[in-house]
Amino acid sequence: EAQVTQNPRYLITVTGKKLTVTCSQNMNHEYMSWYRQDPGLGLRQIYYSMNVEVTDKGDVPEGYKVSRKEKRNFPLILESPSPNQTSLYFCASSLTGYSYEQYFGPGTRLTVT
Amino acid sequence: GQQLNQSPQSMFIQEGEDVSMNCTSSSIFNTWLWYKQEPGEGPVLLIALYKAGELTSNGRLTAQFGITRKDSFLNISASIPSDVGIYFCAGQYYGGSQGNLIFGKGTKLSVKP
Repeated sequence: EAQVTQNPRYLITVTGKKLTVTCSQNMNHEYMSWYRQDPGLGLRQIYYSMNVEVTDKGDVPEGYKVSRKEKRNFPLILESPSPNQTSLYFCASSLTGYSYEQYFGPGTRLTVT
Repeated sequence: GQQLNQSPQSMFIQEGEDVSMNCTSSSIFNTWLWYKQEPGEGPVLLIALYKAGELTSNGRLTAQFGITRKDSFLNISASIPSDVGIYFCAGQYYGGSQGNLIFGKGTKLSVKP
């Protein structure tokens, strides 16, 4: 089944403890992206990757890192999480960065205390 | 950064009624997209628009890319209970980086049977 998977789905952590949210797609998509969703703010793009080894900042990249060493994986790294990073995170992928038919993962709900 | 103004924020309608929502910006957009998000899931693409003036249908859904390229609307005809969810507009603005998508804040639709 074609899909985008994220792990974990739920995570509660403490300020400053490094964490990684994994994202994987099995559709051989070139483009992958991370978003955060907050009440009243909609979805905001954190980082995106047009292809392997190519990443760019979205609208809210501060406090996040990403890497794209393989086509199928695009992990989101929070080196030192803070409470304002408590949010619902979505990973998405599409065939290319010029095709906007993005497939979204199920989301990761992160709470930083 | 760029912003999309989506309205209304929420709608409460009776089953069978038609629904209309729109998205506007002060900037010109190259692409307009409409997504639906159901509780506990990631957004799902409904319609993608790539040319000014384009009118596209997907079942009971119809969306248009505004002639000025600064707006788009989504209509749902004869609403049914499964239309419940949050509808997001999204787009890539002219002059923005390829792959950088901007989302509206969403329209929450409730349908009373």
